[in-house]
Amino acid sequence: GAVVSQHPSWVICKSGTSVKIECRSLDFQATTMFWYRQFPKQSLMLMATSNEGSKATYEQGVEKDKFLINHASLTLSTLTVTSAHPEDSSFYICSALIDGNNQPQHFGDGTRLSIL
Amino acid sequence: QKEVEQNSGPLSVPEGAIASLNCTYSDRGSQSFFWYRQYSGKSPELIMFIYSNGDKEDGRFTAQLNKASQYVSLLIRDSQPSDSATYLCAVNAEGYSTLTFGKGTMLLVSP
Repeated sequence: GAVVSQHPSWVICKSGTSVKIECRSLDFQATTMFWYRQFPKQSLMLMATSNEGSKATYEQGVEKDKFLINHASLTLSTLTVTSAHPEDSSFYICSALIDGNNQPQHFGDGTRLSIL
Repeated sequence: QKEVEQNSGPLSVPEGAIASLNCTYSDRGSQSFFWYRQYSGKSPELIMFIYSNGDKEDGRFTAQLNKASQYVSLLIRDSQPSDSATYLCAVNAEGYSTLTFGKGTMLLVSP
């Protein structure tokens, strides 16, 4: 149980392109999902907390107009990197939280984004 | 500022040995403690979680929690080369859904 599907796994695109990444909880409902970014040999960095039916909460320094998050249902959150540039190239990982007290986050497989 | 500290390693152990990974945290309000394993180039995978003081065992893995000392550890018995990965310690406070991650400890298990 607790499977989180993230799509696509890899994206290579030109600078200026907008890229959408989907995160789905397959066998549970997730009121809360999270988006992380990880650069090579660095630790996970939380970008934003996505709450179903409400606006995402962004961490300090993360541009909300650059990284658009939509959490329209209890099983789907999307991250759109708008007008991506080479410095946005990174490993983007979502996680979903099973509703309830003290539940763990379950991670998707991640999306490797390369902007040329 | 909530902090989670881990030794970056690498921690090198021979195959079959016990690997001991340690983590300290600064927030006394922390209620839930998680260990994730991350292979190079992959996303984190949940290994174990623990909420109460003491030990919790799951197969070859044992999580140990000491809230008085603000210390949580993960023991891996009969270590295998396939256990070689970075192990992330994460904590959250009661009522908060966000996790504070440590930077991870790299474990290398040699055949």
